[in-house]
Amino acid sequence: GDSVTQMEGPVTLSEEAFLTINCTYTATGYPSLFWYVQYPGEGLQLLLKATKADDKGSNKGFEATYRKETTSFHLEKGSVQVSDSAVYFCAFNTGNQFYFGTGTSLTVIP
Amino acid sequence: KAGVTQTPRYLIKTRGQQVTLSCSPISGHRSVSWYQQTPGQGLQFLFEYFSETQRNKGNFPGRFSGRQFSNSRSEMNVSTLELGDSALYLCASSLAPSGANEKLFFGSGTQLSVL
Repeated sequence: GDSVTQMEGPVTLSEEAFLTINCTYTATGYPSLFWYVQYPGEGLQLLLKATKADDKGSNKGFEATYRKETTSFHLEKGSVQVSDSAVYFCAFNTGNQFYFGTGTSLTVIP
Repeated sequence: KAGVTQTPRYLIKTRGQQVTLSCSPISGHRSVSWYQQTPGQGLQFLFEYFSETQRNKGNFPGRFSGRQFSNSRSEMNVSTLELGDSALYLCASSLAPSGANEKLFFGSGTQLSVL
């Protein structure tokens, strides 16, 4: 069935380190892909999205490219900050509902 | 513009009881979706309402039910609570149904603890 698999955490990085969070999906058709972020005590908010193959979504220094051939949508940031500490969720939409991954907790230390 | 509001923020119940959670979407949003968030499972889709009609339902038992009112506010009810129902319940609203790839706006959630 449809599902999202993302890198398990927690992930701990030093400030200014490079971040990659892996995400792969299993879906019928050609879903839209998303990354949502959840800061402590808050609900999820959209970080970026891509709606078709080879699209690159970007926001706040984060990027992810829709790779249809590998069914992946890895999240990257070149230089993380303490304020990036949060839980990151990969998700896709089949046209009927959203499917979310289990979340990856990121802690950035000064 | 006010965001998605969920009440109450915290709930403590005992097994066998029932509970009702409330969600007020962003003004103008007609779609409301509910998710259960647990550490091991991430977000699991419960159901979605659009214009007072249940549009889609996830794989949860019939003890989980919901409804949407004419002002788009939504309630979720869980009857005969079990320990495994302890979770953060998140509500999300959007202008159109999620099938249109609409951006979801989430509330801060209701943390339910079942003792």
